Amino acid sequence: KAGVTQTPRYLIKTRGQQVTLSCSPISGHRSVSWYQQTPGQGLQFLFEYFSETQRNKGNFPGRFSGRQFSNSRSEMNVSTLELGDSALYLCASSTRSGTNTEAFFGQGTRLTVV
Amino acid sequence: AQTVTQSQPEMSVQEAETVTLSCTYDTSENNYYLFWYKQPPSRQMILVIRQEAYKQQNATENRFSVNFQKAAKSFSLKISDSQLGDTAMYFCAFLNFGNEKLTFGTGTRLTIIP
Repeated sequence: KAGVTQTPRYLIKTRGQQVTLSCSPISGHRSVSWYQQTPGQGLQFLFEYFSETQRNKGNFPGRFSGRQFSNSRSEMNVSTLELGDSALYLCASSTRSGTNTEAFFGQGTRLTVV
Repeated sequence: AQTVTQSQPEMSVQEAETVTLSCTYDTSENNYYLFWYKQPPSRQMILVIRQEAYKQQNATENRFSVNFQKAAKSFSLKISDSQLGDTAMYFCAFLNFGNEKLTFGTGTRLTIIP
C-alpha cells in the first residue's frame, strides 16, 4: 500500500508569488490535513478536508487555502507569499473512522520564499 | 483550546539505556487520543504509539511504552534498550475524539550516543 505522497519535495519561490502544493493520501483515506512546521512556531494545523469539504481550519490568514478532489487528493495554495511562509508543509491522511483514527504523514514539501 | 507541553528540548542517552520523554497537556475534553510521533532527519513523521483516553491500560509497542496519567494530564514515553535509529525529534500530540486536528508539543530532540 503506497503511503502519503507530497509533491514537490522542494520549492523555491519569490515574495509575492503564489504556490500550490499537492498531497495524495493513502488509498481509502478520505481525510487530508495540512500542517505547517517552522523552527519558531513548531507544528501548526492549517486545515482538514473530508469528502471534498473543509471540516476544520486553523488560525492562518486567508492567503492559505486548500481544496480536495473527488479522489481525495488535496491541494494547498498560498498566495502573495511572504518570507515568513518559508516552512515544511506536511500533509496527513486518515480514515476519519472514529475510534480507529490514525494520521499518516507524507515526507513534506520544503518551501523557501526568497 | 488544547495545549501540549514538552519541557525537555533536548535529551541524550547511551545506546541500550532507557530514556523517558515527558509530555503534559491541558484539555477540558473527556474523550481524546494522545500520540507520540517520531521525526527523523528524513522529516517523515512516524507514529510511535497511541493511547485512547478511555483506556486505563498503558499502551505498549515493542520497546516503546507510555505512562498515561489522565488525572494529572501527563503522557510520558519510555524507550527501552535505545538504539541508534531512535535518534530523532519526538513530538507529543493530542487529538479530540471525532476531530482530525492534531495539537503538537514543541518536541524533544533525542540523541542516542554509541
